[in-house]
Amino acid sequence: RKEVEQDPGPFNVPEGATVAFNCTYSNSASQSFFWYRQDCRKEPKLLMSVYSSGNEDGRFTAQLNRASQYISLLIRDSKLSDSATYLCVVIRGSGNTGKLIFGQGTTLQVKP
Amino acid sequence: DAGVIQSPRHEVTEMGQEVTLRCKPISGHDYLFWYRQTMMRGLELLIYFNNNVPIDDSGMPEDRFSAKMPNASFSTLKIQPSEPRDSAVYFCASSFRDRSTDTQYFGPGTRLTVL
Repeated sequence: RKEVEQDPGPFNVPEGATVAFNCTYSNSASQSFFWYRQDCRKEPKLLMSVYSSGNEDGRFTAQLNRASQYISLLIRDSKLSDSATYLCVVIRGSGNTGKLIFGQGTTLQVKP
Repeated sequence: DAGVIQSPRHEVTEMGQEVTLRCKPISGHDYLFWYRQTMMRGLELLIYFNNNVPIDDSGMPEDRFSAKMPNASFSTLKIQPSEPRDSAVYFCASSFRDRSTDTQYFGPGTRLTVL
């Protein structure tokens, strides 16, 4: 079993739709969580951090459930420009020695 | 700032040849990471440095891979000899870790093809 698991998709949705991605992690000692975005043939870029209380950035909402070891990303009113691969990232370990573990990514295709 | 710089952007080589990938991290960052990305395995951490010192190289596939960071502004990843299964995109990333953030900034990657 992979340490960080995501549904690879692809998720094909029309513009304006709401879409949710899920991610599970197996190491209960994981301390920090992130969503990165990767466009086709480009490098990954940080989308947002994920906090225990949940956090929102415009149309994007991230949530963490430590008990279930589950992270989610919700995108509302999806735009064509949201088409990308979304990577769930978990830091294994703590402090400055933690190692980032990436999920395989979930591909989103937003269609007109 | 120019961001993380990697060279070359594309490399095509023949099996058995030595390949050297280069990275210049963002100025002031004290962590540098080398990743490999393939369709089958996704993004994998190969090795990372803190203040030019290798901290964790457990992701380095085998002895054919080596990485160095002679100073704060330069790192290399070398594959010798290269094999077709090494074909992948190799990313370098850097960060400045503190308690509040752990953002890694990735370079554009080197797309390696070993024939």
